[in-house]
Amino acid sequence: GAVVSQHPSWVICKSGTSVKIECRSLDFQATTMFWYRQFPKQSLMLMATSNEGSKATYEQGVEKDKFLINHASLTLSTLTVTSAHPEDSSFYICSARSPGGYEQYFGPGTRLTVT
Amino acid sequence: KQEVTQIPAALSVPEGENLVLNCSFTDSAIYNLQWFRQDPGKGLTSLLLIQSSQREQTSGRLNASLDKSSGRSTLYIAASQPGDSATYLCAVFFDGQNFVFGPGTRLSVLP
Repeated sequence: GAVVSQHPSWVICKSGTSVKIECRSLDFQATTMFWYRQFPKQSLMLMATSNEGSKATYEQGVEKDKFLINHASLTLSTLTVTSAHPEDSSFYICSARSPGGYEQYFGPGTRLTVT
Repeated sequence: KQEVTQIPAALSVPEGENLVLNCSFTDSAIYNLQWFRQDPGKGLTSLLLIQSSQREQTSGRLNASLDKSSGRSTLYIAASQPGDSATYLCAVFFDGQNFVFGPGTRLSVLP
């Protein structure tokens, strides 16, 4: 149990375009999902916390208008990177927390390359 | 500020050795602490989760301890194997709902 999936697993896009990444909790309902970014040889950095039915909470330094998060259902959160630039190239990982729980379950990650 | 650090940053050992990875955190008010493994270019694999009320957890050749009062956790790997080579991440779930990762320890086990 407690499986989280991400789609796509990797994506290449041209500078200026937008890319949507999906995060799904497959066998549980996740009231809270988290989005992380990981640059090469660095650790994961929390970008935003996504709560179902409400606006996401962004960490300091993360542009909310550039990284659009939608948590429309208890099993799906999406991250849209708008007007992507090469410096947005990174590994994006989501996690989900079950209601009342404190353990996070991580997705396999999405590698974004912006050319 | 809630921070998590890990020592050493990198470690290279011959196969068969027992080894210890260290994790320190600045705030003792935590819900739990997790150890993850990450292979290059891959996602995270959860290894062990220790609740704040626990002192250690064991899974196979892995043993993780938690000393909340001193803000430390260790991951002990017994009889290391080349397949253990990966980056090991410590993550702390602080009170206040903030989940913070350490920078990781890159482990190489040489055959």
